[in-house]
Amino acid sequence: DIQMTQSPSSLSASVGDRVTITCRASQTISDSLNWYQQRPGKAPRLLIYATYSLQIGVPIRFSGSGSGTDFTLTIDSLQPEDFATYYCQQGYSTPFTFGPGTKVDIK
Amino acid sequence: QVQLVQSGAEVKKPGASVKVSCKTSGYTFTDKYIHWVRQAPGQGLEWMGWINPNSGGTNYAQKFQGRVTMTRDTSINTAYMELSRLRSDDTALYYCVRDLYSTSAWFDPWGQGTLVTVSS
Repeated sequence: DIQMTQSPSSLSASVGDRVTITCRASQTISDSLNWYQQRPGKAPRLLIYATYSLQIGVPIRFSGSGSGTDFTLTIDSLQPEDFATYYCQQGYSTPFTFGPGTKVDIK
Repeated sequence: QVQLVQSGAEVKKPGASVKVSCKTSGYTFTDKYIHWVRQAPGQGLEWMGWINPNSGGTNYAQKFQGRVTMTRDTSINTAYMELSRLRSDDTALYYCVRDLYSTSAWFDPWGQGTLVTVSS
């Protein structure tokens, strides 16, 4: 199975900050990396698929990059509604696996 | 719009089985795979498997092989996930989720989740 790790596990930031979350796969997954946001008490929501592509309706302050084993989610100018937990997920091979999550909270 | 509406919360005893339903609307049910993902309390996300609603074909995570069965009823656009021989560590929120593009493993949208509690 492909193991996914994320760093940091949590971070504190202020509204307007730029935030970067990294995700690493235990083997190469090409560009098959997706990002999800989960607000407390809610189901996850797809933000970015295939490393770079922004899902419809997701604000353009979210962006993704990377390839192979190392990937990044960037949030430019953090907004109050962005305080949540973020998960990466590899779609390269089954079993599809998720990172442990990065919790973004208010400084 | 696309919606996945799941059945209500369940409380089961260890050793029992649970069957969760996921009724879909807003798209052609047989065009996109349905996946099941679970989340234990305060924990991360775990993929359980998928079903192809068109053929009924399935692919289960090895961890759940022999305990999970995914089925569908195309007449009512509904997918089901049954988990047997329940243990306390199966207590979790179970989500059904549609594959965004057939078999891409891009999960969107998600159902609201069904809480399954396993307790004696």
